[in-house]
Amino acid sequence: NAGVTQTPKFRVLKTGQSMTLLCAQDMNHEYMYWYRQDPGMGLRLIHYSVGEGTTAKGEVPDGYNVSRLKKQNFLLGLESAAPSQTSVYFCASSYRKFRARHFGDGTRLSIL
Amino acid sequence: DQQVKQNSPSLSVQEGRISILNCDYTNSMFDYFLWYKKYPAEGPTFLISISSIKDKNEDGRFTVFLNKSAKHLSLHIVPSQPGDSAVYFCAASEVVGGGADGLTFGKGTHLIIQP
Repeated sequence: NAGVTQTPKFRVLKTGQSMTLLCAQDMNHEYMYWYRQDPGMGLRLIHYSVGEGTTAKGEVPDGYNVSRLKKQNFLLGLESAAPSQTSVYFCASSYRKFRARHFGDGTRLSIL
Repeated sequence: DQQVKQNSPSLSVQEGRISILNCDYTNSMFDYFLWYKKYPAEGPTFLISISSIKDKNEDGRFTVFLNKSAKHLSLHIVPSQPGDSAVYFCAASEVVGGGADGLTFGKGTHLIIQP
């Protein structure tokens, strides 16, 4: 009963490097989300998807791209990492947009 | 423009007493509210929710109260236990007319249960 799994759990990057964060869910949920959490800022939505092949921008999308090629996976990409993207990233999924969201345990990303 | 506000960044409560976490919202169109609990190094987990057609919802030690006229909801934990020490997020959604992302989070309240 894995739920939502995020890979990797921790990563350190240098400014300008690129990387992809992977989110996988095994609950057959249609909706998937990427959030970032910064001290004193709560959870802010980066991008989300309402189904396979769809993506949309959230509150803070700049500097990120996403893809949802398979229903169970939602990828978050950083093309050219910046120190301002140092954060904890959470992926979540839900059966419907107004149902409770299931979160992964997060990816702690540090950009030097 | 912060539509969901948790004005207390932290709250300290003695074990066995009642913990009351507060949340205010400004969007009168919000009609479904949720509380999430988060431990360090883990993702948030759903705790309890309430629809705007109700003013109270109870689940074991957890009760959420909704005051629509005041645009205020609160989470009561009775009795408080050491394992309740965590960050609690309030979230709100607009079921009928809301955007596809559908959920607005507060910034969280760090609850500390003192032995």
